[in-house]
Amino acid sequence: AQSVTQPDIHITVSEGASLELRCNYSYGATPYLFWYVQSPGQGLQLLLKYFSGDTLVQGIKGFEAEFKRSQSSFNLRKPSVHWSDAAEYFCAVGAGRGTNAGKSTFGDGTTLTVKP
Amino acid sequence: SQTIHQWPATLVQPVGSPLSLECTVEGTSNPNLYWYRQAAGRGLQLLFYSVGIGQISSEVPQNLSASRPQDRQFILSSKKLLLSDSGFYLCAWSGLAANEQFFGPGTRLTVL
Repeated sequence: AQSVTQPDIHITVSEGASLELRCNYSYGATPYLFWYVQSPGQGLQLLLKYFSGDTLVQGIKGFEAEFKRSQSSFNLRKPSVHWSDAAEYFCAVGAGRGTNAGKSTFGDGTTLTVKP
Repeated sequence: SQTIHQWPATLVQPVGSPLSLECTVEGTSNPNLYWYRQAAGRGLQLLFYSVGIGQISSEVPQNLSASRPQDRQFILSSKKLLLSDSGFYLCAWSGLAANEQFFGPGTRLTVL
């Protein structure tokens, strides 16, 4: 069974500092990996995704993530955090194509606080 | 472009009352549809998913049920709400090709 672990429940960074959110996954085949962001009281928005190819993927809002198969990790990074990045971030692993396409397993999320 | 709607946005219901939450998708055909619940400070728990009209899979035993009467309509229901049904309910859709999910704005349900 697939699973996702986000080890950090809450992270606080200063505005302008760099950010790395950790994600570890367990999946028996080539994973489909995603990062989503959720602002308070809102739905989730896709930041970026990895299916295959280049292991460093670029997303929206200046985020990037690196897939490391040897470490079963898909960490999210941003070189300089803005106050508007304060939100909850979810890592997810997807079931693949066909009938189960889109049926993802989500981590418990990491809440990001940005200090002025 | 595709859009997903959920209503109502917020709902306060007494224990034992019925529930009906609706989700509709526009701009796509034959989507996979999903209902999630998000408790306060917690991650997403998949409740139901559907790959077609009338086809519903339940992920966890619970007090809720789901139906898909039309291709782009997904309904979450309960005959009698429990206190533990309180939470933030999210509907999402995905296509066979894209794999990622697209989420609606959510419904905040409070059961008193």
